[in-house]
Amino acid sequence: KQEVTQIPAALSVPEGENLVLNCSFTDSAIYNLQWFRQDPGKGLTSLLLIQSSQREQTSGRLNASLDKSSGRSTLYIAASQPGDSATYLCAVRGNDYKLSFGAGTTVTVRA
Amino acid sequence: SQTIHQWPATLVQPVGSPLSLECTVEGTSNPNLYWYRQAAGRGLQLLFYSVGIGQISSEVPQNLSASRPQDRQFILSSKKLLLSDSGFYLCAWDRGMSYGYTFGSGTRLTVV
Repeated sequence: KQEVTQIPAALSVPEGENLVLNCSFTDSAIYNLQWFRQDPGKGLTSLLLIQSSQREQTSGRLNASLDKSSGRSTLYIAASQPGDSATYLCAVRGNDYKLSFGAGTTVTVRA
Repeated sequence: SQTIHQWPATLVQPVGSPLSLECTVEGTSNPNLYWYRQAAGRGLQLLFYSVGIGQISSEVPQNLSASRPQDRQFILSSKKLLLSDSGFYLCAWDRGMSYGYTFGSGTRLTVV
């Protein structure tokens, strides 16, 4: 059974600082990995999708890396803003339809 | 472009009452459809998924059921709600294994 862990569980930084969010998974036989953002009481918004054959994906200030062999992914958010405050979830897809989710990292960016 | 609609946004139901949550996807055909639940203090749990009309796979045996009466419609139901059914229910879709999930806005269910 795939286990996904996200560290830290919570993070508070001043505006302008870079954010580094970590995700680890136990079974390296993954199909792809997806990072999501969730605002309080809202659904999940997809940020980045990394296929198992890729090393990284970038979108604006966001960059996600994937090291499948070591079972790790890192989401970098450059020059954080108060609007980046949210919970960030990492989800891994194995060789089936479902995603295995981590518990999330709750980020607070202080103005 | 594709959109996913989920309703209602919030629901308060008494114990023992029935439940029907609906999810529809627009702008695509033959999507894979999913129901997840997010309970307080717990992660996201897959409840059901469907890869075609009338095809339903259940991940967690419980008093919930799902149906897919049309290609882009996914319904989550219960005949009698339990207190433990409270949670945030999310519908999602994708085009296939190589594609990412897109989630709906969710339904907050409180069973009282």
